[in-house]
Amino acid sequence: NAGVMQNPRHLVRRRGQEARLRCSPMKGHSHVYWYRQLPEEGLKFMVYLQKENIIDESGMPKERFSAEFPKEGPSILRIQQVVRGDSAAYFCASSPTGTDEAFLHFGNGTRLTVT
Amino acid sequence: DQQVKQNSPSLSVQEGRISILNCDYTNSMFDYFLWYKKYPAEGPTFLISISSIKDKNEDGRFTVFLNKSAKHLSLHIVPSQPGDSAVYFCAASRTLQGAQKLVFGQGTRLTINP
Repeated sequence: NAGVMQNPRHLVRRRGQEARLRCSPMKGHSHVYWYRQLPEEGLKFMVYLQKENIIDESGMPKERFSAEFPKEGPSILRIQQVVRGDSAAYFCASSPTGTDEAFLHFGNGTRLTVT
Repeated sequence: DQQVKQNSPSLSVQEGRISILNCDYTNSMFDYFLWYKKYPAEGPTFLISISSIKDKNEDGRFTVFLNKSAKHLSLHIVPSQPGDSAVYFCAASRTLQGAQKLVFGQGTRLTINP
């Protein structure tokens, strides 16, 4: 069952370190989305990517955060110089097209803890 | 600015009874609404959706109602089963923007008591 795969499931980083979160979309899906869930809150949109293109990054913090979806390999969400406020669950989702809301399939998330 | 609100953080319902989860939104440009279900340590799973051209959509035990004038939607689960215990998120989008711009509520934790 090739669902959306995220790794690692849990990631612990000290303040100032870098965090790299990986996401492999479902087979046949070419659109990837990253959402963040802070404690006791709903998921918030961060970025939408297609292969080699960032389509919409309006939800990304202006500094320290970047995302890519290369031609080969998984999508990467990179957080540089992490701070305690970055502690959250980061969910990746994929869809076969960019406009069919019903087919937004989520992975199980990466829980980032910054100490 | 919370555009999608779920005002009940938790709800407890007896097995076999009806569970009603509520959601309010403020942005009148939203035209597509979804409910996701989430178990602990898992990602959200799509449950049911409704377009703004409809006021009701039914799928088995799950029915979503949309009241556009009140900017309110609700999810009815009947009969409720223990496996329905989870966090339920309401989400909204503008069709033109597609799935990437889903705006989620804070979630309601539903507990079904045997």
